[in-house]
Amino acid sequence: AQRVTQPEKLLSVFKGAPVELKCNYSYSGSPELFWYVQYSRQRLQLLLRHISRESIKGFTADLNKGETSFHLKKPFAQEEDSAMYYCALSGDGNLIFGKGTKLSVKP
Amino acid sequence: DAMVIQNPRYQVTQFGKPVTLSCSQTLNHNVMYWYQQKSSQAPKLLFHYYDKDFNNEADTPDNFQSRRPNTSFCFLDIRSPGLGDAAMYLCATSRAGVLNEQYFGPGTRLTVT
Repeated sequence: AQRVTQPEKLLSVFKGAPVELKCNYSYSGSPELFWYVQYSRQRLQLLLRHISRESIKGFTADLNKGETSFHLKKPFAQEEDSAMYYCALSGDGNLIFGKGTKLSVKP
Repeated sequence: DAMVIQNPRYQVTQFGKPVTLSCSQTLNHNVMYWYQQKSSQAPKLLFHYYDKDFNNEADTPDNFQSRRPNTSFCFLDIRSPGLGDAAMYLCATSRAGVLNEQYFGPGTRLTVT
C-alpha cells in the first residue's frame, strides 16, 4: 500500500535549535518525494523536492531508500519557520500526503 | 497575483442539498486536482483532470462529481452532501509530469448543516 507517515503531530523547538521533521513512506517502486509547507493564513506550497537536492530556506531533506525515509532538517530554526509541514510522495504524478507536522518555533 | 482561485472561500449547505465549488487558474496548466482535507488529516485526492480526461480515485464516493468546461475552470459538485462531507476542499494545478510542482488554491471550507 502507498502510504506516507509523519509520526509527529506537533514539534516545538526554540529559536536557533536544530529541527528534524520525520517522514517515512511505503511505496512499491521508486517514488518522488516532496515537502510542502503551509504558513499561517497562506496556501499550501512546495518547499522542496528530493530530486533537486536543494536547500530551501535552510531546509534540506535526504532520501534514504533503505529506511524509506525523507526527513526534513534545518540546523537553526527561525520563528518564521513556524508552519504546517506535509511530506508527500508521487509515483504517477498524483500526490499522496502525510497528515502533517505542525512546527512551532518559540523565541 | 492569485494563480489558483477558489470560490467561495466558505460554503454552508444543508444536508442533502447539492452544492458546487469552483476553481479557476491563470497558469494555463493542463492538470487540475481536487483534494478533500478533513481536520487533522492529510489532503486526500478525489480526482484530477489531465486536459479533458477525467481520472477518478478508486475510493472517491459517487456523490462527488467534477466538470472541467475549459482549461481555466474546474468544478466540484457534491450531489447530496452528508455531514461527513464537511471538510476543506483544495484545488491544485500542475503541468503534467511526476516531478512538477502542484500549485494550490486557498481552499473552500464546506459546512453541512
